[in-house]
Amino acid sequence: EIVLTQSPATLSLSPGERATLSCRASQSVSSYLAWYQQKPGQAPRLLIYDASNRATGIPARFSGSGSGTDFTLTISSLEPEDLAVYYCQQRSNWPRTFGGGTKVEIK
Amino acid sequence: EVQLLESGGGLVQPGGSLRLSCAASGFTFSSFAMSWVRQAPEKGLEWVSAITSGGGATYYADSVKGRFTISRDNSENTLYLQMNSLRAEDTAVYYCARGPSSWDVWGQGTTVTVSS
Repeated sequence: EIVLTQSPATLSLSPGERATLSCRASQSVSSYLAWYQQKPGQAPRLLIYDASNRATGIPARFSGSGSGTDFTLTISSLEPEDLAVYYCQQRSNWPRTFGGGTKVEIK
Repeated sequence: EVQLLESGGGLVQPGGSLRLSCAASGFTFSSFAMSWVRQAPEKGLEWVSAITSGGGATYYADSVKGRFTISRDNSENTLYLQMNSLRAEDTAVYYCARGPSSWDVWGQGTTVTVSS
């Protein structure tokens, strides 16, 4: 099974700041990596698929990059509504696996 | 509007069974593979199972293999998860989601609690 390790566990930033979230895979997943946002009490929402493609309706301040084993989700300018836990997920191999999540707090 | 609506969750004793349903609307259900993803209380996300658009192939996490069965009725636009031999560690919110591998539409979830 492919293990995804996310860092940091928690990120505390002020509105307008840039957030950089990392996801590292235990083996190559090529570009088959997605990012999800989960706000408190809500279902997850797909942000990025295949490493760098924004899903429908996702604001341009969210971007993804990387390939192989190292991936990054960047929020270029934090908004208060970006308070959430962010998960990466691979679709290279079965079973599909998620990272442990990064919690983004707004100062 | 594209929508997924889960039902069937509840409280069940260890060793018991439960069947979850997910009613789809607003899209051509029979054209999409579907999945179940769960989230234990205060924990992260865990993929559980997936099924192809026609139902001909199914996939399971090792943690549920042999106990859970995914199925679908394309004439009723409904996805199912039959859960047998339930354990305390199966306690979670269960989400159905559209897609086999990356999920662009999610339901609101249904809560399963396994406890005596």
